[in-house]
Amino acid sequence: RKEVEQDPGPFNVPEGATVAFNCTYSNSASQSFFWYRQDCRKEPKLLMSVYSSGNEDGRFTAQLNRASQYISLLIRDSKLSDSATYLCVVYSNYQLIWGAGTKLIIKP
Amino acid sequence: NAGVTQTPKFQVLKTGQSMTLQCAQDMNHEYMSWYRQDPGMGLRLIHYSVGAGITDQGEVPNGYNVSRSTTEDFPLRLLSAAPSQTSVYFCASRPGTGGASYGYTFGSGTRLTVV
Repeated sequence: RKEVEQDPGPFNVPEGATVAFNCTYSNSASQSFFWYRQDCRKEPKLLMSVYSSGNEDGRFTAQLNRASQYISLLIRDSKLSDSATYLCVVYSNYQLIWGAGTKLIIKP
Repeated sequence: NAGVTQTPKFQVLKTGQSMTLQCAQDMNHEYMSWYRQDPGMGLRLIHYSVGAGITDQGEVPNGYNVSRSTTEDFPLRLLSAAPSQTSVYFCASRPGTGGASYGYTFGSGTRLTVV
């Protein structure tokens, strides 16, 4: 079993739709959680950290369920510019463990 | 600030050749690391360093060497290139304190093909 698992997609959604990504992790002692965004042929960039109480940044909402070892990212009112690969990342044993990413394609 | 600078951006090697991927950061970050990214897989840690003179192995260190003689530079050496090392390589850095909470700054990557 992979340490961090994500649906690879791609998710094809129309502009303006709401889209949700899910991620599970295997190490219950993991300490911190993040979503990164990676555009095609570019480097990953931090989108947002994920806190136990849930957190929001504009159209983006991240949630963490430690009991189920599950992380989610919700994007509301999706824009064409949201097209990218979204990487779930877990900080565990002083290192980042990366999911393979979910590709999102926003259609006009 | 330039952030994290990686060179070269593209490289083609023949099997058995050696080369060094360069990484430099100007943010005075203590922690630096090298990852490789392959299709369908998450980024995998090759080597990392928590400060000048200190390096350690990550998940996939075989076939690679690193050194950290200065805070700014963290080169990755491929000793004898193999087709399995065809990948995209990213260098990343972060401040030494605070763990991953500050976020990692990545270089723009090196696309390496070994034929």
